[in-house]
Amino acid sequence: GNSVTQMEGPVTLSEEAFLTINCTYTATGYPSLFWYVQYPGEGLQLLLKATKADDKGSNKGFEATYRKETTSFHLEKGSVQVSDSAVYFCALLGRGTYKYIFGTGTRLKVLA
Amino acid sequence: EAGVTQFPSHSVIEKGQTVTLRCDPISGHDNLYWYRRVMGKEIKFLLHFVKESKQDESGMPNNRFLAERTGGTYSTLKVQPAELEDSGVYFCASSQGLAGALNLYQETQYFGPGTRLLVL
Repeated sequence: GNSVTQMEGPVTLSEEAFLTINCTYTATGYPSLFWYVQYPGEGLQLLLKATKADDKGSNKGFEATYRKETTSFHLEKGSVQVSDSAVYFCALLGRGTYKYIFGTGTRLKVLA
Repeated sequence: EAGVTQFPSHSVIEKGQTVTLRCDPISGHDNLYWYRRVMGKEIKFLLHFVKESKQDESGMPNNRFLAERTGGTYSTLKVQPAELEDSGVYFCASSQGLAGALNLYQETQYFGPGTRLLVL
């Protein structure tokens, strides 16, 4: 079945550091891929998405590229801020389905 | 436009009691979903409504869980009787469009803030 594996946290970085959160997936066909973020005390918010191979999703300085050859969708940001501290979830939506498959989430803590 | 709302935000109950969670989807969204995250694990699908009809409840853990969506608007998820392992965060999400739509798999689901349930 479909599955998502993301790096375990917590990840602790200093402000302005480079961020990478790894996400790999297993799926039949061509799923859509998503990154959701949960800020403290808030709900899940869509951060970015990509619906086909080689697509790059971007938002708020975050980027992720849909790599079919490596079945990956790693999240990157060049310079993190304290306000980026949150839990990040990688997810996939299989073709023809409506059930998101989520990873376990990665907690990011950015120190000033 | 108001987002998905959930009530209550937190609930603490004792084992054996009943709890009812409520979700109000974005107005006009036909699809409503329930998910659950248990103790730092992945968020898992519970069930899917299209309007008032249950399309898929394959993720419901057992018959202690009952979901309804009368009138195709808000939804409730009742846990009766609650057990310790039911503790977690229950998320509701909604999306526009009808089941069977060719591009449903590309639809973004909009999530609510979640209800944190603690069963003691």
